[in-house]
Amino acid sequence: NAGVTQTPKFQVLKTGQSMTLQCAQDMNHEYMSWYRQDPGMGLRLIHYSVGAGITDQGEVPNGYNVSRSTTEDFPLRLLSAAPSQTSVYFCASSRAIGQPQHFGDGTRLSIL
Amino acid sequence: AQKITQTQPGMFVQEKEAVTLDCTYDTSDQSYGLFWYKQPSSGEMIFLIYQGSYDEQNATEGRYSLNFQKARKSANLVISASQLGDSAMYFCAMRTNSGGSNYKLTFGKGTLLTVNP
Repeated sequence: NAGVTQTPKFQVLKTGQSMTLQCAQDMNHEYMSWYRQDPGMGLRLIHYSVGAGITDQGEVPNGYNVSRSTTEDFPLRLLSAAPSQTSVYFCASSRAIGQPQHFGDGTRLSIL
Repeated sequence: AQKITQTQPGMFVQEKEAVTLDCTYDTSDQSYGLFWYKQPSSGEMIFLIYQGSYDEQNATEGRYSLNFQKARKSANLVISASQLGDSAMYFCAMRTNSGGSNYKLTFGKGTLLTVNP
């Protein structure tokens, strides 16, 4: 059972670079979301999607874009990386809104 | 605004004893859900237990139970018979949905539990 797969696991970027964090799930879940985890801050919701073609902003969306062209994939794009975006990023999915979420293993992103 | 407060940055418990991790929440929504997740040092997030705002019974899952006191807006996690493998960070989270896709999930800052042998 693959569950929620995030790639890459680690990434170092320079300020101003762009990149895409990949997230894929094989459970046919409708709901997917992205969080960032910073020391002492818990997890904060960046963007979420309630189904293919539908996305919405969470608590900290600035600097990030998402799209949901298929049920399985929910990539997170950083258009111009900033040091403040250094964090651990988690992707999660659930069968529906409000159901317990399955998390990926996280992507540790450092921006110099 | 939705808010989750976990007032215990760290907790210690002896192996085989019970421990309660505190969580209080604030929301004006009538319908909401409360979750607890465990994050071991390896970093993954593991779902433990869920309580809906309209559930009359406290949720239980094996050694985990949720002490839900709606009037006090608290949703404390009780771990019975602690094991060394329970040492981890524990997060309380609240789902609110004001309608349609207006969905929010808010996490507390976490409590680091250490189980001593």
